[in-house]
Amino acid sequence: SQTIHQWPATLVQPVGSPLSLECTVEGTSNPNLYWYRQAAGRGLQLLFYSVGIGQISSEVPQNLSASRPQDRQFILSSKKLLLSDSGFYLCAWSTGNTIYFGEGSWLTVV
Amino acid sequence: RKEVEQDPGPFNVPEGATVAFNCTYSNSASQSFFWYRQDCRKEPKLLMSVYSSGNEDGRFTAQLNRASQYISLLIRDSKLSDSATYLCVVRGDYKLSFGAGTTVTVRA
Repeated sequence: SQTIHQWPATLVQPVGSPLSLECTVEGTSNPNLYWYRQAAGRGLQLLFYSVGIGQISSEVPQNLSASRPQDRQFILSSKKLLLSDSGFYLCAWSTGNTIYFGEGSWLTVV
Repeated sequence: RKEVEQDPGPFNVPEGATVAFNCTYSNSASQSFFWYRQDCRKEPKLLMSVYSSGNEDGRFTAQLNRASQYISLLIRDSKLSDSATYLCVVRGDYKLSFGAGTTVTVRA
C-alpha cells in the first residue's frame, strides 16, 4: 500500500532563517506531488505541485521554493522565513482523482 | 468570490442526532467532489467521494446538486468520534479547491 511521510512534524524558526521540509512517498510510481499550507481558520492553499522529477509549478508568489530531486521525494524550502510563513504545511500525493496527505508540519516563525 | 465556501459552524449536536451541512462551489465545470475529515492539528483524510446520484457510506450520506452548485453531507446517529472539521473539496480542470471546513462537535 502507498504511504506518505513528511518531516519534521513541528519546528520553531526565527525570522530570516532557512527552511527545509521533506516529504517522501512509498508504494507508488510517478505520483503527482503537492505542497499545501493551511492557516488558522482558512482552507488549504496550494503552494506547489509537481507532475514529475524536476517539474515544479508554483501557484502563488512567495519566498518559498520546491524541488523534486527524485520521483517520490518533494522538498519545500525557504532561504529567509517571514512571520507570515507560519502555518500548517501539508505534503500530498495523487495518481488519479483522489489526494492523500502526509501528517503535516507545524511551522512557527518567531 | 471563494471557489469553495462552507459554513464554518460550529454545529454542536447531541449523540444520536442527525447533522447536515452544505458546501457551495463557484466553478460550474467542476468535475469531482469529495468530503475530507480533519481532526484537530492533524492532516485531512478522505471521508468519501460524492457522486452525481448521491451516495451513502454507513451513517454518512453525500449529495451533489450541480444545478445549484452545492454538495451536502449528512451524518446520522452522531457519535462522539464524529467530532471533527469536515472539508469540502472540489476538483476543477487540474487542481483541487478546498473549503475552510465545517466544525462539528458531538456532545454526550
